[in-house]
Amino acid sequence: DTAVSQTPKYLVTQMGNDKSIKCEQNLGHDTMYWYKQDSKKFLKIMFSYNNKELIINETVPNRFSPKSPDKAHLNLHINSLELGDSAVYFCASSPSGLNTDTQYFGPGTRLTVL
Amino acid sequence: RKEVEQDPGPFNVPEGATVAFNCTYSNSASQSFFWYRQDCRKEPKLLMSVYSSGNEDGRFTAQLNRASQYISLLIRDSKLSDSATYLCVVKFQGGKLIFGQGTELSVKP
Repeated sequence: DTAVSQTPKYLVTQMGNDKSIKCEQNLGHDTMYWYKQDSKKFLKIMFSYNNKELIINETVPNRFSPKSPDKAHLNLHINSLELGDSAVYFCASSPSGLNTDTQYFGPGTRLTVL
Repeated sequence: RKEVEQDPGPFNVPEGATVAFNCTYSNSASQSFFWYRQDCRKEPKLLMSVYSSGNEDGRFTAQLNRASQYISLLIRDSKLSDSATYLCVVKFQGGKLIFGQGTELSVKP
């Protein structure tokens, strides 16, 4: 019954590794997002996809690459992980494009880079 | 200057108290305004939208002053379950949501 789900919930890895976080929503929404929440609790948008097309791409290192195989899934792949990548990553979705106000968030993936 | 600024708190109040949170935003072209709530180690959830005329949802009242670029949230008769971080959120042109740092509220018995 989970509306927006993410896996894994926790991810601990070494610097330099490559890892992926998966996100799925069963709400039938067209738009999905990735956010990063750092240790100071600021929540910042990284990417947004609408119907599998990239519509928001903030100033994020090229090591971060989102992939949307279909409109219900938005995965985040991170290459060459760095200490500063440690954060909580939230996936979110909204009904129809950027004009929709309400975003529904997944439970978050807590990434720790050692 | 941060795009959305909030007093991070924490606000420590007794049950039954009235507490007010303030938020300012820098972009006068901002389109929509919201308050989200985030419990400890959980995801943010929409609490309420904020309209120019002000709006109320039970014990919660939100107000917007576009001229001053200021948003507020008032919580009356605080409950223990209101303890959380309250995030001020502004939607810019293009649909991007900008989140404030959040204001932490702790309601004590």
